[in-house]
Amino acid sequence: QVQLVESGGGVVQPGRSLRLSCAASGFTFSTYAMHWARQAPGKGLEWVAVISYDGSTKYYADSVKGRFTISRDNSKSTLYLQMISLRAEDAAVYYCASAQSTLLNFDYWGLGTLVTVSS
Amino acid sequence: DIQMTQSPSSLSASVGDRVTITCRASQGISNYLAWFQQKPGQAPKSLIYAASSLQSGVPSKFSGSGSGTDFTLTISSLQPEDFATYYCQQYYNYPRTFGPGTKVDIK
Repeated sequence: QVQLVESGGGVVQPGRSLRLSCAASGFTFSTYAMHWARQAPGKGLEWVAVISYDGSTKYYADSVKGRFTISRDNSKSTLYLQMISLRAEDAAVYYCASAQSTLLNFDYWGLGTLVTVSS
Repeated sequence: DIQMTQSPSSLSASVGDRVTITCRASQGISNYLAWFQQKPGQAPKSLIYAASSLQSGVPSKFSGSGSGTDFTLTISSLQPEDFATYYCQQYYNYPRTFGPGTKVDIK
């Protein structure tokens, strides 16, 4: 069955960097677009970024543009989110999600990884 | 950006009740609308895509309708496992935007 397992979350100081990973299994990762979304504590869902199946197309939310970079390694079936210049408002549970293309809806979600930004 | 609104923001219902949640987009999105269910402490789960198509494995008590700017999610007979927060999301364009959620709890 489809599994998406995020890792890399933790406590980080404002202004520092962190890289999240999402390990995929149970489907042909290299043919799927992948998204990151996040949810601040007690808040709703916010879409963060998407990458096409081959990495050629990427879109970002304005709130993270220029600070976050989405990437993928199809040989490892792994999605990444490099986050720099972290702010207090970036604190959230970060989820990866699959989609059959960048034009289509989310299929499956991972369990999430918590990022805390605090001095 | 397309703004998504939901009503009500919360509702209390009993087991066996029929529940309807409304989602509205700030501009027409055709049928590029998805619904998600999230239980406390859990990841979201995809329920419906293309406004009315059930994701694989989702029970038929869930149904969706609508097109353009107005959409509904209906749960035909609420069961204990359905108490959760429900979100709509448009995938008509980027950035993808979610509604603020509707929390369904036990009366």
